[in-house]
Amino acid sequence: AQRVTQPEKLLSVFKGAPVELKCNYSYSGSPELFWYVQYSRQRLQLLLRHISRESIKGFTADLNKGETSFHLKKPFAQEEDSAMYYCALRAGSARQLTFGSGTQLTVLP
Amino acid sequence: KAGVTQTPRYLIKTRGQQVTLSCSPISGHRSVSWYQQTPGQGLQFLFEYFSETQRNKGNFPGRFSGRQFSNSRSEMNVSTLELGDSALYLCASSTGTVGTGEQFFGPGTRLTVL
Repeated sequence: AQRVTQPEKLLSVFKGAPVELKCNYSYSGSPELFWYVQYSRQRLQLLLRHISRESIKGFTADLNKGETSFHLKKPFAQEEDSAMYYCALRAGSARQLTFGSGTQLTVLP
Repeated sequence: KAGVTQTPRYLIKTRGQQVTLSCSPISGHRSVSWYQQTPGQGLQFLFEYFSETQRNKGNFPGRFSGRQFSNSRSEMNVSTLELGDSALYLCASSTGTVGTGEQFFGPGTRLTVL
């Protein structure tokens, strides 16, 4: 069975500091990995996906198949980055999204 | 384009009742997925519909059901409500076939079961 683990429920950093949100997954094949973000009073929205290998709002994430991780990183956090972040996996024949439990990021001034 | 819309936004029911939630996808999107979000279990996949057919189903009891209409609008139904069904129910639509394409989420329906 596929599983996504986000070990940190809460994460606080100061503005301008680097931030890393951890995500580990369990799946034996080649999954698709995503990061979704939910800002206060807004809808859940896609932040980035590993396939596109892009940087969105300064965030990047690299798929490490050896460590089965897909950590989200940003070198200099901004207050507007404060939000709930979910890591998600899509794999297998069913192709449904499996979400982690989420990490609430707070960027302090 | 208008985003995914869900109605109603809030709902209060009592145990044993049934409830129907509605989701209108983005115009042109043919795939609709439903998720249940709770503080304890997080976001859990309920089911996915494409072209009026259920293509995937999550690990939920048969009390949870859904359907999709020819205009891609979808409804989900929960019968014999239990206290544990209190949750935010999210709908997402995508352009692709089953399990492909970016999913766009609606604002959710907050269901409270008393």
